[in-house]
Amino acid sequence: AQSVTQLDSQVPVFEEAPVELRCNYSSSVSVYLFWYVQYPNQGLQLLLKYLSGSTLVKGINGFEAEFNKSQTSFHLRKPSVHISDTAEYFCAVTVTTDSWGKLQFGAGTQVVVTP
Amino acid sequence: DAGVIQSPRHEVTEMGQEVTLRCKPISGHNSLFWYRQTMMRGLELLIYFNNNVPIDDSGMPEDRFSAKMPNASFSTLKIQPSEPRDSAVYFCASSLRGEGTEAFFGQGTRLTVV
Repeated sequence: AQSVTQLDSQVPVFEEAPVELRCNYSSSVSVYLFWYVQYPNQGLQLLLKYLSGSTLVKGINGFEAEFNKSQTSFHLRKPSVHISDTAEYFCAVTVTTDSWGKLQFGAGTQVVVTP
Repeated sequence: DAGVIQSPRHEVTEMGQEVTLRCKPISGHNSLFWYRQTMMRGLELLIYFNNNVPIDDSGMPEDRFSAKMPNASFSTLKIQPSEPRDSAVYFCASSLRGEGTEAFFGQGTRLTVV
C-alpha cells in the first residue's frame, strides 16, 4: 500500500515571498507523483506531475517540484507567491503499474498568502 | 469541453432522506471516480468505473451508498438513507485510462445532512 504525508497543514506566507510545501511518500513499488491545487469552493486542478526523467518538474502558475527517490520526497516550490495562490495543495501518488489511475492523496496543505 | 459537470453544487437534506448526486464526465474519458472530502478523513476514493463498469467499490463506506454509470456520459452516487455523518463534499473526476494519466475534477457537491 502507498501513503502520502504532507508535513505542514497550513503555511502562511507573505506576497512575493517563496514557498515550499513538503510531501513525503511511502511505497514498496514505483510510483508516479502529482500535485493538485484546490481554490476555494472549486474542484482540484493538476499543477504538475512526475512520471519519469528529469527529477525537476515544472508546472503551471510558476510552480515546480523535485522528486527525490532516496528521500522519498516530492516537495513543491514557488519562488514568489501571489495573493491568488491562496488555496489548498494536495500531494498524490499512484502506482506505476496501476492503469486505472487511482490516486492516494495526502491530507493537504493550506497556503494563505497575505500582503 | 466544459469539463466535469456535477449537480447539484449544494444539497441540504434531512436525515433519512435519499440523496442523489450526478456527474457528467469529460467526453471521451473512459474512467470515472467518486471521491469524498471531509475535514477528518481528507480525500477518499469511494468507487471507480472503467468503460461504465464498476472496478472497485471497496471505498464505499456502507451499503447505504451506491453508484451507477448507465452510460459513458452520466454517473450517479446515491445515499439512502442519508445520515448527518455523510455531510461532506463529493467530487467526481474523469480521465483516460492509462499509467500516470491526469484526473480532471468537477467542482463538487457540498452535501449537508441535518
